[in-house]
Amino acid sequence: AQSVSQHNHHVILSEAASLELGCNYSYGGTVNLFWYVQYPGQHLQLLLKYFSGDPLVKGIKGFEAEFIKSKFSFNLRKPSVQWSDTAEYFCAVNAGPYSGAGSYQLTFGKGTKLSVIP
Amino acid sequence: DSGVTQTPKHLITATGQRVTLRCSPRSGDLSVYWYQQSLDQGLQFLIQYYNGEERAKGNILERFSAQQFPDLHSELNLSSLELGDSALYFCASSLFVSGSKETQYFGPGTRLLVL
Repeated sequence: AQSVSQHNHHVILSEAASLELGCNYSYGGTVNLFWYVQYPGQHLQLLLKYFSGDPLVKGIKGFEAEFIKSKFSFNLRKPSVQWSDTAEYFCAVNAGPYSGAGSYQLTFGKGTKLSVIP
Repeated sequence: DSGVTQTPKHLITATGQRVTLRCSPRSGDLSVYWYQQSLDQGLQFLIQYYNGEERAKGNILERFSAQQFPDLHSELNLSSLELGDSALYFCASSLFVSGSKETQYFGPGTRLLVL
């Protein structure tokens, strides 16, 4: 079974600082990778996703992530954070087999809380 | 707004009781997933339905069950509730076309508090 590790439980940054949140997964086959964000009191929103192709994917709100297959990593980055980025960030993976009998359920990391200080 | 709706938003009940959570997927989505978010376990997959049929099971207790109706809405039934069942329950939907690169869209969740 696949698993997802997010290295940082809580990250505190000042506005305009750069952000990188780590995510590693354990699965040797084909994977689809996602980052979701959960603002306080709200539901999960998709930030970005990687299926195939260019390993550098761009998402909403200036976020991007890089898939490094050799490191089983999918780290999330943002060059300059804003107070409004304060939220919890979840890395998720679904893995094959991608067939009619398969399921696409997501395995989530434990999440990283980001606090941005104005 | 993801287009996935869940009711109720909040639910407070007592131990031993039974509750039903409801989810309506996005228009056109055939697959519904249920997840539980708790402080100690994080986000965990419970069960998936596709076009009315159970597709996959995750860490779902025997006291919990779900179904998907012909109009594609889904209900998650939680019975003999225990304090530890207090959590946020999310529903997600997707198109689920075999072999495709699908994306799940999450609803606002139902916050369950068992007293």
